[in-house]
Amino acid sequence: QVQLQQSGPGLVKPSQTLSLTCAISGDSVSSNTVAWNWIRQSPSRGLEWLGRTHYRSKWYYEYAESLKNRITVNPDTSKNQFSLQLNSVTPEDTAIYYCARSRSPPLIFDLWGRGTLVTVSS
Amino acid sequence: QSVLIQPPSASGTPGQKITISCSGSRSNIGSNTGNWYQQLPGTAPKVLIYSNDQRPSGVPDRFSGSKSGTSAYLAISWLQSEDEADYYCATWDDSLNGPVFGGGTKLTVL
Repeated sequence: QVQLQQSGPGLVKPSQTLSLTCAISGDSVSSNTVAWNWIRQSPSRGLEWLGRTHYRSKWYYEYAESLKNRITVNPDTSKNQFSLQLNSVTPEDTAIYYCARSRSPPLIFDLWGRGTLVTVSS
Repeated sequence: QSVLIQPPSASGTPGQKITISCSGSRSNIGSNTGNWYQQLPGTAPKVLIYSNDQRPSGVPDRFSGSKSGTSAYLAISWLQSEDEADYYCATWDDSLNGPVFGGGTKLTVL
């Protein structure tokens, strides 16, 4: 059974870096048929796709335009996981963060982690 | 403000049929297939419909999807109390070069 297990702090101070990890079991971060995504959800912004990484003979990285200067999604093949780093956070980054697997075409987010509530506050 | 526009709420009585709309544009729904996700309280979204009208295995055939022009639709027949959830549409946006979601519709079964 494929599962995504999220980990990371639930509280981050303003201006600091938000870091989350998503461990994959039952699939491979290096799979060439899926992509590994980060999505967040907040009352003010709804569901918002943040970015993804996928392997197709080489690693690819794609990010939401609004976050391009602050976000990094990285695979870790030795631990079969991927991570999210979001720099210079503000209270507006407070949200539930989900990792998710996607298949395409057509684009389907077919597997989700349980979500991590991250609060940005001093 | 979400890229895809959904009504914030919908309601129905058990046994009734309801339809939720998702309005987009040529760069998203107009040129790509749509998905629908169901989110039960306290859980992550789960795919309900993909490729406009396809159901993953395990999703009851009471749920159906369709698309017309730049809008997508989710219909739920024979409404049950367990259908109370938030429903989100999603698709790829060619202009934004990434996935986009609707703002969600909270379904209440009266």
